[in-house]
Amino acid sequence: ILNVEQSPQSLHVQEGDSTNFTCSFPSSNFYALHWYRWETAKSPEALFVMTLNGDEKKKGRISATLNTKEGYSYLYIKGSQPEDSATYLCASKAAGNKLTFGGGTRVLVKP
Amino acid sequence: EAGVAQSPRYKIIEKRQSVAFWCNPISGHATLYWYQQILGQGPKLLIQFQNNGVVDDSQLPKDRFSAERLKGVDSTLKIQPAKLEDSAVYLCASSTLQGNSYEQYFGPGTRLTVT
Repeated sequence: ILNVEQSPQSLHVQEGDSTNFTCSFPSSNFYALHWYRWETAKSPEALFVMTLNGDEKKKGRISATLNTKEGYSYLYIKGSQPEDSATYLCASKAAGNKLTFGGGTRVLVKP
Repeated sequence: EAGVAQSPRYKIIEKRQSVAFWCNPISGHATLYWYQQILGQGPKLLIQFQNNGVVDDSQLPKDRFSAERLKGVDSTLKIQPAKLEDSAVYLCASSTLQGNSYEQYFGPGTRLTVT
């Protein structure tokens, strides 16, 4: 994998349902994996910074896992709520603190 | 703690016109970044400053884009002349220098539409 890729590009979730999506990144020269939530007309908000293989982080109903050997991270939303509607961005960090972003997964939670 | 401030929030210009964006980073953050986010794509780094020096501008289209960070605090990004493909959200971010996992904090962005 040469670039950071996210899938799916978008998904619709029924309120109360759980969902997850993927970020794939180059496993060589890996320093850290960042997840951001970006709501329309607001600043991207940092969710997680993950550095170690096997890392799992949780913030409320949102959690993430990291596999640096195979180059992927999953983000999970448990019991989705309308306020979870946003674009979720992942970014891989290489040397020099340079972030390379994926295209994002746009989540729409329907009441 | 105040966040990263950007202005204007929205700008509409015609092609071949000039435009400038302003960013005020979080106080004490030595590193400042400008990103371009085209609809449907992830943010792309245009330029990274360390204090008032440029660290990385490899993806900045230097024939039309310029950026400066005088005194190592505020920064401006200019496009002259603008093209239709410059329509995007321009994000400014800042960070400190503490370790490999230090966060970048983003402003709300400037949405530029070139007609």
